[in-house]
Amino acid sequence: AQSVTQLGSHVSVSEGALVLLRCNYSSSVPPYLFWYVQYPNQGLQLLLKYTTGATLVKGINGFEAEFKKSETSFHLTKPSAHMSDAAEYFCAVTPVHGGSQGNLIFGKGTKLSVKP
Amino acid sequence: KAGVTQTPRYLIKTRGQQVTLSCSPISGHRSVSWYQQTPGQGLQFLFEYFSETQRNKGNFPGRFSGRQFSNSRSEMNVSTLELGDSALYLCASRTSGSSYEQYFGPGTRLTVT
Repeated sequence: AQSVTQLGSHVSVSEGALVLLRCNYSSSVPPYLFWYVQYPNQGLQLLLKYTTGATLVKGINGFEAEFKKSETSFHLTKPSAHMSDAAEYFCAVTPVHGGSQGNLIFGKGTKLSVKP
Repeated sequence: KAGVTQTPRYLIKTRGQQVTLSCSPISGHRSVSWYQQTPGQGLQFLFEYFSETQRNKGNFPGRFSGRQFSNSRSEMNVSTLELGDSALYLCASRTSGSSYEQYFGPGTRLTVT
């Protein structure tokens, strides 16, 4: 069964510092990978996705992530944090085959705090 | 294009009652998935509907059910509510086919007392 592990339930950075949120997946076949962001009292917004092709994926709001098959990782980065980046971030996977693509499997989430 | 809408946004129910939540997908999207979000269990998949048929189901008791209408709108129902059903219920839509991107609504916050 597939699973997603996000290291660190809380991450705090200073404004302007590098943001690094970690995500590792467990799957016998590399899945499709996603990062979502959730602001308080809101739904989830898709930041970026990896399906096929280039392993470095750029998303919205200056975020990017790199798929590393050998490390089964899909870490999210942003070179310079902004106060508006404070939110909860979720890594998710979905199987490539088997008809379960509507079933996203989520990590537990990482709350990002940005200090002025 | 309008996003995914969910109604109501907030709901308070008593143990033992039943509740129905509604989700309208993005126009043209034919697949709707439902998720439960709680502080303890995180985000968990409930079920997915496509063309009025349930395609996949998560590991939830039979008290949780859903349906989809011909216009792709979906409802989920929870019968005999328990305190542990208090959660944010999110629905997401996608076009289906080769698209794997799911677009989420704002959620319905259900409180069971």
